[in-house]
Parts: sequence; structure tokens; C-alpha cells
Amino acid sequence: AQSVAQPEDQVNVAEGNPLTVKCTYSVSGNPYLFWYVQYPNRGLQFLLKYITGDNLVKGSYGFEAEFNKSQTSFHLKKPSALVSDSALYFCAVRVTPYGNNRLAFGKGNQVVVIP
Amino acid sequence: DVKVTQSSRYLVKRTGEKVFLECVQDMDHENMFWYRQDPGLGLRLIYFSYDVKMKEKGDIPEGYSVSREKKERFSLILESASTNQTSMYLCASNPGGPPYEQYFGPGTRLTVT
Repeated sequence: AQSVAQPEDQVNVAEGNPLTVKCTYSVSGNPYLFWYVQYPNRGLQFLLKYITGDNLVKGSYGFEAEFNKSQTSFHLKKPSALVSDSALYFCAVRVTPYGNNRLAFGKGNQVVVIP
Repeated sequence: DVKVTQSSRYLVKRTGEKVFLECVQDMDHENMFWYRQDPGLGLRLIYFSYDVKMKEKGDIPEGYSVSREKKERFSLILESASTNQTSMYLCASNPGGPPYEQYFGPGTRLTVT
């Protein structure tokens, strides 16, 4: 079955340091991969996606993600973390080839940026 | 911008009550989804709909039903609310083709006492 895994429950990083949130995937065929962010008591906001093409994908709020086929990973990165980046981050993969675009989500990573 | 709205941000209901959660999207999307979110479990799909009056079970449909009478509206129904249905409920939508990402509403935090 198509799935993603986010191996860390929480990531702590000092403000100004690089931020990495890890995601690995398991799919048959070519993966469609997504990152979302959730601020407290809010819905999920789309950050970026990988469908095809360049392995480095740029998204909203200065985030980017690197698709690595050999390591089956799609890690989210930001060169310099801000306190306002503290939130819950979800990785997701499309699980159906056509039509309803159903996604499977990871369990989420809590990111805490320390001032 | 796509807008997905949910009828309530916070809801408190009693055990055994019938509960309706409403979701409306304004972008003429074919697909709509209901998830519940619980700490440590991520998002779990309850039901989804790919067209008016069409629905499919997700991963955890037990205790829930849905209704989609109009394209823009997707309702989640808890036939007889129980305390283990206390959770955050999220609605999402996307078109039948690209772009493939889902657009989410703000969520409804339901407490069943």
C-alpha cells in the first residue's frame, strides 16, 4: 500500500539554524508527494509538492524539499528557521492513480523553533 | 483562492446525540474528503466523495455516514455520538485532475461528553 513515514515526533531547532523535517515513502510507480503545515487550531495549509521534474522543489514561506528516489525520501528543508515556523508538519502521498486524488498522510512532526 | 468552510469551529455534544458537520467549498471541486485528526495518529480518512451522491468509505468509516446532495457541500453525520469520537474533524476538497493537492477547511473540534 502507498504510505509515508515521518520517523521523528518532534524536531527542535534554534532560530536561524537550518531546519529539516524527514519523510520517507513507499509506493509502487512514480510518487506524487506533498508537504502541509498546520498552525495551532487551524486547518492544513499546502506548502509544496513533487509530481515530476526537478528533484528540488520550492514552496511557500521559504521552504523547499528534495526528492531522492534511491533513498525513497522527500525531506522538507528551510535554510534559516524562524520562531513563526513552529507548527505541525505533515508529509503525504497520493494513493490512487486517477480521479479522486486520495492522499495518505504521515503522523506529523511537531517543529519547535527556539528563540 | 480556494475556500473551504466548515460550519463550526468548536462543538460540544452529548453521548447518543446525532451530530451533523457541514463543509462547503467554492471552487467547483469534484472530490471532497472528511478526516479526523488525533494526536500521534495523524490524519485518518473517514469518507470521501468523488461526485454528487457518490461516496466511498475511507479507513475508519465505522460510526459515521456522509451526504453529498450538492457539489459544493459535503456533510459528515455521527448517527449516535460516542466519547471516542471526540476529535478534530477536517474537511478537504480537490478537483478530479491537476492540481492534485487537497485544500483544507479550518477544522471542527468536537467534544462528546
